[in-house]
Amino acid sequence: GIQVEQSPPDLILQEGANSTLRCNFSDSVNNLQWFHQNPWGQLINLFYIPSGTKQNGRLSATTVATERYSLLYISSSQTTDSGVYFCAVGGSQAGTALIFGKGTTLSVSS
Amino acid sequence: KAGVTQTPRYLIKTRGQQVTLSCSPISGHRSVSWYQQTPGQGLQFLFEYFSETQRNKGNFPGRFSGRQFSNSRSEMNVSTLELGDSALYLCASSLGVDRGVILFGPGTRLTVL
Repeated sequence: GIQVEQSPPDLILQEGANSTLRCNFSDSVNNLQWFHQNPWGQLINLFYIPSGTKQNGRLSATTVATERYSLLYISSSQTTDSGVYFCAVGGSQAGTALIFGKGTTLSVSS
Repeated sequence: KAGVTQTPRYLIKTRGQQVTLSCSPISGHRSVSWYQQTPGQGLQFLFEYFSETQRNKGNFPGRFSGRQFSNSRSEMNVSTLELGDSALYLCASSLGVDRGVILFGPGTRLTVL
């Protein structure tokens, strides 16, 4: 099956700093989503981005499907950005079945 | 529009018992999928339902089962609970199979003693 690797595993930032999270996947995908899991366990969908670039406020994401990676950019980080960021992918036969990476744990301090 | 709802939010069971978890998708969403999250294995896909039919199943034993009703609400059942079944069970909904944004509910935290 498709392998998903996220880096870095942990990230510690001061408020206001920028960061880039990376997601590599081992095969072609037609579904890629980024999620933020808050301390209460809720998974929030950040982007549905199987290819191209999207922006939403301080967050943006880029997926280069031909090179099998995606990047999540967080600018001017805030303490509320803390949590775990997951990349999840699905192949053409997967329906909505997503394969999740192990996540990047982000800690933002004031 | 209300989000994905899951009940109950917390559950404590003992080994050997069975449990049923419920999920109501976002209105208009016809696809419901279930995931298990544990510290050791991370987030793993359990199964997916669309229009009352199981479309996809993950690599879990037969003790894990599910169903979807005509109103798109879904239930999952775990029989003969084991300690290793302790996990956060997350339900997600989307418009259809392989159709865009997938939205998750708050989860049911199951503890097996």
